[in-house]
Amino acid sequence: AIRITQSPSSLSASTGDRVTITCRASQGVTSYLAWYQQKPGKAPKLLIYAASTLQSGVPSRFSGSGFGTDFTLTISCLQSEDFATYYCQQYYSHPHTFGQGTKLEIK
Amino acid sequence: EVQLVESGGGLVQPGGSLRLSCAASGFTFSSYWMSWVRQAPGKGLEWVASIKQDGSEKYYVDSVKGRFTISRDNAKNSLYLQMNSLRAEDTAVYYCARGRQPRIAAAIDYWGQGTLVTVSS
Repeated sequence: AIRITQSPSSLSASTGDRVTITCRASQGVTSYLAWYQQKPGKAPKLLIYAASTLQSGVPSRFSGSGFGTDFTLTISCLQSEDFATYYCQQYYSHPHTFGQGTKLEIK
Repeated sequence: EVQLVESGGGLVQPGGSLRLSCAASGFTFSSYWMSWVRQAPGKGLEWVASIKQDGSEKYYVDSVKGRFTISRDNAKNSLYLQMNSLRAEDTAVYYCARGRQPRIAAAIDYWGQGTLVTVSS
């Protein structure tokens, strides 16, 4: 199974900050990587798929990049509603493994 | 509007069985891969199983192989997860999920609200 290492596990930031979360796959997944946002008690929400394609309706302050084994999610100007937990997932091969998650908290 | 509504969760003793259901609406169910994803209390997401549009291909995470069975009924627009030999570590919220494209490699674009399974004596 492909292992996904996500970092950091938690992050403190302020409204207006730019933040970056990274995921590293144990083997190449080409661009088959997605990013999700989850708020407490809610189902995850798809933000980005194919490593860098923004899902419809997602604000443009979210962006993704990477190919192969190294990927990043960047939030360019944090808004209050962005404080949540973020997960990456590879869907290149089964099992479609998730990263451990990054909890983004208000500083 | 796409909707996925899970049911069937509850409290079950270790070694017991439970069958989860997911009722889908608002899209052509038979055209999409479907999956189950779970989340243990306070923990991260774990992909559990996926099934092809016609049910001919199924994939499972190693920890549930031989114990869980994913299935679907396209006539009823429904997805199922039969869970046998349940263990305490299976305790989680189970989400029904749809792949955003009708292909094996697809991100999940729609999720249900989840159903809680608690395995405890």
